[in-house]
Amino acid sequence: QQKVQQSPESLIVPEGAMTSLNCTFSDSASQYFAWYRQHSGKAPKALMSIFSNGEKEEGRFTIHLNKASLHFSLHIRDSQPSDSALYLCAVASSGSWQLIFGSGTQLTVMP
Amino acid sequence: EAAVTQSPRNKVAVTGGKVTLSCNQTNNHNNMYWYRQDTGHGLRLIHYSYGAGSTEKGDIPDGYKASRPSQENFSLILELATPSQTSVYFCASGLGGSSYEQYFGPGTRLTVL
Repeated sequence: QQKVQQSPESLIVPEGAMTSLNCTFSDSASQYFAWYRQHSGKAPKALMSIFSNGEKEEGRFTIHLNKASLHFSLHIRDSQPSDSALYLCAVASSGSWQLIFGSGTQLTVMP
Repeated sequence: EAAVTQSPRNKVAVTGGKVTLSCNQTNNHNNMYWYRQDTGHGLRLIHYSYGAGSTEKGDIPDGYKASRPSQENFSLILELATPSQTSVYFCASGLGGSSYEQYFGPGTRLTVL
């Protein structure tokens, strides 16, 4: 059974800071790694995803994946108050469309 | 963008009562999912479906049934609701194939008294 864990549970950063969120997984055969963002009272929405080792950048957001370390991360450059939300990492094991979600990191960006 | 709707948006039920949560998606996605979200647990998968007429158990299926009568509709049924089922329930859809992304509905807040 895939285990997905996130750290930290919560994070408060000042506006303009670099923010780093972490996710570890247990199944080395996992093939899809994603971050979802959920603003308060809203639905989760996919933010970024990656399939293979390395990094991928989209605007202020960068995702890093290291399969050997069973770890991926999300980095937010120049964090904004509008980035304040619950960030959920998600992993799909090989041969399955099911996503296993972490318990989330609550990010607060202070103006 | 995928459109997923849920009804009702809020529901108060009594212990032992039957509750049906409905989900509709208009993008012809093959896969549909029901999750519950509780503080400290992220999203936990209850049931899922890979097409009309099929349902599969997720990680926490006890106390829940699911029904997929058509490509567009996926229901979650609580035959005998209990206070431990008080939660926010999200429905999601996904295309399948080489696509893993899931599109979520707005959620249903269920309170069982």
